[in-house]
Amino acid sequence: GQQLNQSPQSMFIQEGEDVSMNCTSSSIFNTWLWYKQDPGEGPVLLIALYKAGELTSNGRLTAQFGITRKDSFLNISASIPSDVGIYFCAGLGSNYKLTFGKGTLLTVNP
Amino acid sequence: DVKVTQSSRYLVKRTGEKVFLECVQDMDHENMFWYRQDPGLGLRLIYFSYDVKMKEKGDIPEGYSVSREKKERFSLILESASTNQTSMYLCASSLYRAASEQYFGPGTRLTVT
Repeated sequence: GQQLNQSPQSMFIQEGEDVSMNCTSSSIFNTWLWYKQDPGEGPVLLIALYKAGELTSNGRLTAQFGITRKDSFLNISASIPSDVGIYFCAGLGSNYKLTFGKGTLLTVNP
Repeated sequence: DVKVTQSSRYLVKRTGEKVFLECVQDMDHENMFWYRQDPGLGLRLIYFSYDVKMKEKGDIPEGYSVSREKKERFSLILESASTNQTSMYLCASSLYRAASEQYFGPGTRLTVT
């Protein structure tokens, strides 16, 4: 089946730093989604991307749908302690099923 | 705002018990999904449903069944719980089949002893 490689697996940064994470796939996706999950909670949708090359922002978050449709990037600027959590990418393929990355664990040191 | 609720946040059951996990969404979404989440394995799809009384197997359906009698409610059933079903269970819904945005509930942490 389709697989997503999400990297890095974890990040430990200082408050105020910028963060980048990405997902790559061997398959083409029609939509890319980015979720954040706080400990003990369900994932919350952050950004949805629908077209190759699309760049979308949500506050301090910016995500891009790669031109090849096989990758996506999420950037967080000026990180704050409440950014702590697990960030997941997900891709929607032609079978209408979401494929999830394994997540990036972000720790922010105040 | 889309709201997906799950009947329990934490559940402890004994091996062999029948377990029901309930999920309700309030936005008239057609699609509903059940996932389990385990460390190192990520989110794995158990079952999903595109319509009332309709169900399709996901990637790991063994040991589970589902029921969708009403559009807003999707139940996950563990017929005979086993310790390897200890996990975080997440329900999600989306508007229609081709819609990609899935909205998740808060999750149920199930422990089978």
